Amino acid sequence: DVKVTQSSRYLVKRTGEKVFLECVQDMDHENMFWYRQDPGLGLRLIYFSYDVKMKEKGDIPEGYSVSREKKERFSLILESASTNQTSMYLCASSSGWRDYNEQFFGPGTRLTVL
Amino acid sequence: GQNIDQPTEMTATEGAIVQINCTYQTSGFNGLFWYQQHAGEAPTFLSYNVLDGLEEKGRFSSFLSRSKGYSYLLLKELQMKDSASYLCAVMDSNYQLIWGAGTKLIIKP
Repeated sequence: DVKVTQSSRYLVKRTGEKVFLECVQDMDHENMFWYRQDPGLGLRLIYFSYDVKMKEKGDIPEGYSVSREKKERFSLILESASTNQTSMYLCASSSGWRDYNEQFFGPGTRLTVL
Repeated sequence: GQNIDQPTEMTATEGAIVQINCTYQTSGFNGLFWYQQHAGEAPTFLSYNVLDGLEEKGRFSSFLSRSKGYSYLLLKELQMKDSASYLCAVMDSNYQLIWGAGTKLIIKP
């Protein structure tokens, strides 16, 4: 059974803290993605990666960074958390490039920044 | 800009049929996806259309008209477990997914 796991389901952090969100997939997928999901808005892409040590900015990268040191692991970092980063964060992975590429999602991390 | 429109919420009765529409305006088109997302859970893949026409998969069917920038997801013989949000996403010319805000489907007995 294919799996994308995320390190926490719920997190509460304070403004200014550095926050790490971890994502691991066991499908040997090349591509990994970080999205945030807010009520009334579609999924918005923060960063993605097509290979180890490679990263590309998505639509809303400001205030975030990522790390992909191993193929199976993709980390999202909030350097200095702010209240407007309170959201649901979803990690996804897929195989293939420039073709049909169903994305498999993790269960999400609901982050609250106080 | 790029835009995906779908109704915010729909209500249907158990055993009935419901059609969820999605219209899109994107820079290029490389396929349209439908995902299902139960409350508090991850989105899961339902269907993919890249050519015009209807794709059927059990109780679920998805239709695409590229000339009209339009798709729909048809759910037949509705069951209570179909209560969920349904997300429409289009792959643009850069092979990135553009997501709609989702349609929350409420099934009543």
